[in-house]
Amino acid sequence: GAVVSQHPSWVICKSGTSVKIECRSLDFQATTMFWYRQFPKQSLMLMATSNEGSKATYEQGVEKDKFLINHASLTLSTLTVTSAHPEDSSFYICSALLVYEQFFGPGTRLTVL
Amino acid sequence: GENVEQHPSTLSVQEGDSAVIKCTYSDSASNYFPWYKQELGKRPQLIIDIRSNVGEKKDQRIAVTLNKTAKHFSLHITETQPEDSAVYFCAASNGDQGAQKLVFGQGTRLTINP
Repeated sequence: GAVVSQHPSWVICKSGTSVKIECRSLDFQATTMFWYRQFPKQSLMLMATSNEGSKATYEQGVEKDKFLINHASLTLSTLTVTSAHPEDSSFYICSALLVYEQFFGPGTRLTVL
Repeated sequence: GENVEQHPSTLSVQEGDSAVIKCTYSDSASNYFPWYKQELGKRPQLIIDIRSNVGEKKDQRIAVTLNKTAKHFSLHITETQPEDSAVYFCAASNGDQGAQKLVFGQGTRLTINP
């Protein structure tokens, strides 16, 4: 099946720093990728849709200047959390679209101290 | 926009019994309904999905039913086993509006008691 990887799997950073998370489709090309955030014991909330070669589409309430998304190739999308604060601590999961099915990455656990 | 409600939030059943999780959606244009299983700290895994042109789909012990008129769909797990314990999410999307954006339900924590 289609495989999606994320890096890093976990990261701990100090408040005010920026963190970059990579999402890669390993064995297929993905024009569209998605970024989700999942707080403990909660559901997946879509943050933005990442489109190769164009600007990302952000969901209502998600700050585009805080969560920078770059989809520079058909196999890589990156999410940069800028000036991270403790409330940004969460599980960030990406997915890549193949035909009509989304294949999820293993997630990145971000802890901001 | 689409809104998906999922019930119950927790479900505990005896091993071997059946488990049923229900979801309702609000957007009549939604046409794709996947179900995911997520273990603690892991990625969601697609376990079954259904498109709006069918009413039921089955894969071994797992089945999904869809009622488009009532806008609800359900997951049925029969002969439950301890390894079925996990959090299950339903989702809905409208593929005709471009990029298959999924809206998730709140999740159901299923516990199978041995």
